[in-house]
Amino acid sequence: EAGVVQSPRYKIIEKKQPVAFWCNPISGHNTLYWYRQNLGQGPELLIRYENEEAVDDSQLPKDRFSAERLKGVDSTLKIQPAELGDSAVYLCASSSVRTRGYTFGSGTRLTVV
Amino acid sequence: TQLLEQSPQFLSIQEGENLTVYCNSSSVFSSLQWYRQEPGEGPVLLVTVVTGGEVKKLKRLTFQFGDARKDSSLHITAAQPGDTGLYLCAGVRVSEKLVFGKGTKLTVNP
Repeated sequence: EAGVVQSPRYKIIEKKQPVAFWCNPISGHNTLYWYRQNLGQGPELLIRYENEEAVDDSQLPKDRFSAERLKGVDSTLKIQPAELGDSAVYLCASSSVRTRGYTFGSGTRLTVV
Repeated sequence: TQLLEQSPQFLSIQEGENLTVYCNSSSVFSSLQWYRQEPGEGPVLLVTVVTGGEVKKLKRLTFQFGDARKDSSLHITAAQPGDTGLYLCAGVRVSEKLVFGKGTKLTVNP
């Protein structure tokens, strides 16, 4: 079974530029999460999808962050414009009603210079 | 406010030693999970504990959930270099929202 696939693995951009991350969850997993992990910290939830519906986006900085999950499968997370403080690892995870734990992707390491 | 406090934050030991990592909270969780994360990778689920007082063993790893479902511990016996990584505890709230601690960075030296 293929795991959660994220791309790109690394991204370096200048501040004020836009950036997008892509996630393909495990087939059949209806719940998808985007987390942000700062250096030396645990992951923090940005947004959770149940199928194509965003059911928890309370932690998403909506002035510059947006996300979508068309057709309830793949998802993209966008930042526009990026700020220096956005440098972090962005993790995507998925789960289903049958699984208690999350399966995480390898993450995208974003560096804003 | 950090809901889950992990200690110690850093731990460096020699191969063969035993260690315990703690995860504490003032909140009650419906269940608690432990993950291990290696550099450049996402966290990988090790175990889920659900019942207060529950003890689960995974080879040399022993996980315990507190009776009040507010705290948990991870004990590793005879640590090996392959155990090196970031150990994260995560509490599952009623809303299914997962809340992570900051993690314990373990280094096992050969």
